[in-house]
Amino acid sequence: QQQVKQSPQSLIVQKGGISIINCAYENTAFDYFPWYQQFPGKGPALLIAIRPDVSEKKEGRFTISFNKSAKQFSLHIMDSQPGDSATYFCAASKRGATNKLIFGTGTLLAVQP
Amino acid sequence: KAGVTQTPRYLIKTRGQQVTLSCSPISGHRSVSWYQQTPGQGLQFLFEYFSETQRNKGNFPGRFSGRQFSNSRSEMNVSTLELGDSALYLCASSFTGQGNEEQFFGPGTRLTVL
Repeated sequence: QQQVKQSPQSLIVQKGGISIINCAYENTAFDYFPWYQQFPGKGPALLIAIRPDVSEKKEGRFTISFNKSAKQFSLHIMDSQPGDSATYFCAASKRGATNKLIFGTGTLLAVQP
Repeated sequence: KAGVTQTPRYLIKTRGQQVTLSCSPISGHRSVSWYQQTPGQGLQFLFEYFSETQRNKGNFPGRFSGRQFSNSRSEMNVSTLELGDSALYLCASSFTGQGNEEQFFGPGTRLTVL
């Protein structure tokens, strides 16, 4: 129940294409769903996050789609660029006084020029 | 504003030794969490500190411990190192440690156990 399942494990997209990464969770107590981007040699950096009270959130080229009934959420990267090549992690945390994040297994994205 | 800093960045130890890693959060942040990142297990939560108190603990053996000081700086200690402890150890800080608050990660300490 604590798991967050992420797919695909790796993804190759052409420059200008759309990258889509999917995550699923079981625990309905989760109420915060962030996506992190990690470059080699760096710590993860928050990309975008969503709460279950909205179905979609967009920030620039990055969009989270959230399906509460299916317990699934996904990251869409529009007009993918070579600079987007990184590892992406979805995560979830519960409401309340805790910062504990449960991470997905990560997706290695390569955007080809 | 300075980000989260971790020292040392790289560390090589041998089995059976112990190690202490340090994390300085962003100024004003009172919550510090630690994560272990490995290729096989991904990012796993170790523990979380807020105002010098451990508020949450992950599923790791007692060899892993931590503490937080009054200035919010945190240390984690691993005793009796095993080969499987080789990993990138990340700390993250936030203002209040509430579940929907952005956490800022440091660059990590790469620990290699020989």
